[in-house]
Amino acid sequence: QKEVEQDPGPLSVPEGAIVSLNCTYSNSAFQYFMWYRQYSRKGPELLMYTYSSGNKEDGRFTAQVDKSSKYISLFIRDSQPSDSATYLCAMRNTGGFKTIFGAGTRLFVKA
Amino acid sequence: SQTIHQWPATLVQPVGSPLSLECTVEGTSNPNLYWYRQAAGRGLQLLFYSVGIGQISSEVPQNLSASRPQDRQFILSSKKLLLSDSGFYLCAWSVNQGGSYEQYFGPGTRLTVT
Repeated sequence: QKEVEQDPGPLSVPEGAIVSLNCTYSNSAFQYFMWYRQYSRKGPELLMYTYSSGNKEDGRFTAQVDKSSKYISLFIRDSQPSDSATYLCAMRNTGGFKTIFGAGTRLFVKA
Repeated sequence: SQTIHQWPATLVQPVGSPLSLECTVEGTSNPNLYWYRQAAGRGLQLLFYSVGIGQISSEVPQNLSASRPQDRQFILSSKKLLLSDSGFYLCAWSVNQGGSYEQYFGPGTRLTVT
């Protein structure tokens, strides 16, 4: 079993839709959870960063962490064509240097 | 603000040739530095990380090596490339202090071994 599972998609939605992206994980020691956005042929860009359980909102983006279910989500409201990218979840435990990344979900937002 | 540079952006090399990819970070001191490889449809594979000058930890045994000759410079090398070394190589940095684990990535180098 992989430490982090992420559906690779592709996920195609119309402009203005609410997008839900998800990851599950197996290591209960993970405490830090991140979402990255990666445009084609570019490096990943940090979008959201949360610690432990709960929600965090930043503009159109909301990150949720449910540690009891080992499940994290990223919601994008009022999706735009410019949101079309691959979204990677990432997580790590306290200490150490290793961040575990999901394989990424490819999102297409159609105008 | 901090910026991270990688070069070259793209590289085509024959099998058996040497490799040198460079990464530099500006605007921060004593960062943690990382080299990742990203294969199509797969997650990021951590290759090396460094917490200081001359301090390199390897995550995956392979024909690649890394060096950190200066505080904000990280180099990925190989003496003889294999076809399987093709991929998208990403350098990243993070703040070297407790409680801060976000990593920030460079633009990447796309390597094709022919």
